[in-house]
Amino acid sequence: GEEVAQTPKHLVRGEGQKAKLYCAPIKGHSYVFWYQQVLKNEFKFLISFQNENVFDETGMPKERFSAKCLPNSPCSLEIQATKLEDSAVYFCASSPQPGTTGGTQHFGDGTRLSIL
Amino acid sequence: RKEVEQDPGPFNVPEGATVAFNCTYSNSASQSFFWYRQDCRKEPKLLMSVYSSGNEDGRFTAQLNRASQYISLLIRDSKLSDSATYLCVVLSGGYQKVTFGTGTKLQVIP
Repeated sequence: GEEVAQTPKHLVRGEGQKAKLYCAPIKGHSYVFWYQQVLKNEFKFLISFQNENVFDETGMPKERFSAKCLPNSPCSLEIQATKLEDSAVYFCASSPQPGTTGGTQHFGDGTRLSIL
Repeated sequence: RKEVEQDPGPFNVPEGATVAFNCTYSNSASQSFFWYRQDCRKEPKLLMSVYSSGNEDGRFTAQLNRASQYISLLIRDSKLSDSATYLCVVLSGGYQKVTFGTGTKLQVIP
């Protein structure tokens, strides 16, 4: 598609439950990024993919967070055993191959995760 | 020290004023620089890329100072609709290590 599509728009989970978020990048974009934004504060980079391969995962809290980008499927971000502090808006972005337009990121609308 | 730093503001300016923001970065090998705009509860949107020679888009001017490792955004003749958070973005590591600044909040007042 022509836009980054994130689902669901809003996800509510009880503390300790699992949460799974989805992102369909723009068709033809090879790079996908996940960010966490808590209460309109700074963007925290979580992980990036080059096609289905992890490109940079230095921001991922590995003990509970995992992510995948499989061929012919939306990318996903999964949080096990959610905590109150996981409440945030999770943004996904995609970008084309590095090159003349390599740096421009196109963002989805975000998924608002609320942990109760 | 954070890799990319911005003054969080808020910058409260009257309509018609000129306002400038700076963004400093610590990695001297950083390759590309951008300004994004984020409206309340919305996704960030690209405002403009920042080129070494400086670039202008209407009322917006972006500059890069590699020697001092900062980029700037100048907004002339501020409009109410310019009220938003402005995010500085720095790319390094082959264009794909992306670091966002904390954002600078601008509030244009009537």
